[in-house]
Amino acid sequence: AQSVTQPDIHITVSEGASLELRCNYSYGATPYLFWYVQSPGQGLQLLLKYFSGDTLVQGIKGFEAEFKRSQSSFNLRKPSVHWSDAAEYFCAVGPHNTDKLIFGTGTRLQVFP
Amino acid sequence: EPEVTQTPSHQVTQMGQEVILRCVPISNHLYFYWYRQILGQKVEFLVSFYNNEISEKSEIFDDQFSVERPDGSNFTLKIRSTKLEDSAMYFCASRRTQGLTEAFFGQGTRLTVV
Repeated sequence: AQSVTQPDIHITVSEGASLELRCNYSYGATPYLFWYVQSPGQGLQLLLKYFSGDTLVQGIKGFEAEFKRSQSSFNLRKPSVHWSDAAEYFCAVGPHNTDKLIFGTGTRLQVFP
Repeated sequence: EPEVTQTPSHQVTQMGQEVILRCVPISNHLYFYWYRQILGQKVEFLVSFYNNEISEKSEIFDDQFSVERPDGSNFTLKIRSTKLEDSAMYFCASRRTQGLTEAFFGQGTRLTVV
């Protein structure tokens, strides 16, 4: 069955530190891959997406993600975290044979000044 | 920038009552979705809707749920007889096309069943 795993439920970093949020998926082929962010009281905002091609994708707010087929991973990174990045981050996959998104359980990011 | 709009932002209802959650998708989008997120759990797909009919639904989307696009702009989710376990954040989403496009989500409606 298709699934998404975000192994880190909660991550705390200091402002200015680098960040990597992990995402692994289970799917028979390469799915479409997404990272969404949910700030408190807000909806889900798309950070970036991977459909094909270059495995390093750039998104909004200085985020990037790298697709690694061999590891079935799509980890999100940011070189220097800002206090405003505190939010919940969701990795999602979009299998090619269906119209729905399958989400991970999310990683809550806390940023200390 | 166009956005998906959901109303109300928070709804409290008594168990057994009917609720209708409303969404206005982005105007040139053709594919519409409802997802829900029970507190502390992952976002789960409920249903997709295209060309005035359901194209896919999850096992969560039983006979108590229905969707409708009544007037060409609104997209609604109706729960006929709410249960305590229906308490969740409900997200509406829309996409312009299938395939290589992303879904845009609304800010959600928090439904509390008491």
